[in-house]
Amino acid sequence: EVQLVESGGGLVQPGGSLILSCSASGFTFSSFAMHWVRQTPGKGLQHLSTISSDSTRKYYVDSVRGRFTVSRDNSKNTLYLQMDSLRTEDTAVYYCVKEAGIPSQFDYWGQGTLVTVSS
Amino acid sequence: VVMTQSPLSLPVTLGQPASISCKSSQSLVYSDGNTYLSWFQQRPGQSPRRLIYKVSNRDSGVPDRFSGSGSGTDFTLKISRVEADDVGVYYCMEGTHWPPTFGQGTKVEIK
Repeated sequence: EVQLVESGGGLVQPGGSLILSCSASGFTFSSFAMHWVRQTPGKGLQHLSTISSDSTRKYYVDSVRGRFTVSRDNSKNTLYLQMDSLRTEDTAVYYCVKEAGIPSQFDYWGQGTLVTVSS
Repeated sequence: VVMTQSPLSLPVTLGQPASISCKSSQSLVYSDGNTYLSWFQQRPGQSPRRLIYKVSNRDSGVPDRFSGSGSGTDFTLKISRVEADDVGVYYCMEGTHWPPTFGQGTKVEIK
């Protein structure tokens, strides 16, 4: 059974940093690209970043490029999202999402971790 | 690409059908001939779960009362007979262009 478990969310002040982790199991993690998607009441679901299976390719949407960094450790079956220069508008539930073997096709989602950016 | 769903709220009587529309601002036909339009269900308090991929393919374990159809820029998710378990928000998502984009969501509730 595929399982994705995010951790690392919490309360952080504007301008601060946070690292999210996603522990994967139930599939060959090193064979699949992975994604981060966030959800806010106001803007709904927003795709943020993609990392290829071997970490050679990384993509970001404009709103987080230069502030967020995606990485993975295939030996630990773990995906990461380093978030710097956080803004109040980054407040959201962050999901780790597995790609289905076809680019930009999402098949499994984690349970999400809440990030609150507030002073 | 902008994905527009309608309606945004859908009260349905148990056992009755429901239909959700999703329209894209550009064609979702990819260069490989496939159309990468998916539907997700998000039950209250849960993360999204994929129901349908490539317009009309049901994921494993998805009841056959869910069906997807459409082409080009117009797509539909249908529930043939709504059950209490179907309450939640439904999202379409296109994966043909970068970045993948979601619709605003349609909230299905029981009348």
